[in-house]
Amino acid sequence: GAVVSQHPSRVICKSGTSVKIECRSLDFQATTMFWYRQFPKQSLMLMATSNEGSKATYEQGVEKDKFLINHASLTLSTLTVTSAHPEDSSFYICSAKDRGPDTQYFGPGTRLTVL
Amino acid sequence: QQQVKQSPQSLIVQKGGISIINCAYENTAFDYFPWYQQFPGKGPALLIAIRPDVSEKKEGRFTISFNKSAKQFSLHIMDSQPGDSATYFCAATAAGNKLTFGGGTRVLVKP
Repeated sequence: GAVVSQHPSRVICKSGTSVKIECRSLDFQATTMFWYRQFPKQSLMLMATSNEGSKATYEQGVEKDKFLINHASLTLSTLTVTSAHPEDSSFYICSAKDRGPDTQYFGPGTRLTVL
Repeated sequence: QQQVKQSPQSLIVQKGGISIINCAYENTAFDYFPWYQQFPGKGPALLIAIRPDVSEKKEGRFTISFNKSAKQFSLHIMDSQPGDSATYFCAATAAGNKLTFGGGTRVLVKP
């Protein structure tokens, strides 16, 4: 149990375009989802926390107008990178937790490359 | 106050040996300490977790030792196997809020 999926697994786009990444909890209801960014050989950096039906809470230094997060249902959250630029190229990972335990379950990640 | 410090940054161990990774924290409000294993190009996978009311937890070859007074916890991988070669992250959270991650330890198990 506790499976989290992400789609797509990798995406290549041109500079200036927008990219949407989906995060789904497959076998549980995720009241809270988190979005992380990870650079090579570095730890995970939390970008934002989203609760179903409410606005996301962004970490300091993360542009909320650039990284749009929507958590429309208990099983789906989306991250949209708007007007992507090469510096946005990274590994984006989501995680999800339900109301109960503190455990966060992570998705497989999405590799974004902006040309 | 939110930082979790992890050491070493990298570790090489022979097959069958013991891998030991240490983490230290400052925030006494932390009440849940998970360890994650991450393979290249994959998302982190929960390995084992502990709460501060327990000093040790063992699951298979993986053991967490927790020292509340020292604000330290460690992961021991017994009988290390080449398949254990991965990056390991310790983390901490308070009241089910956001995770604070350590910097990660790259473990290489040599056959």
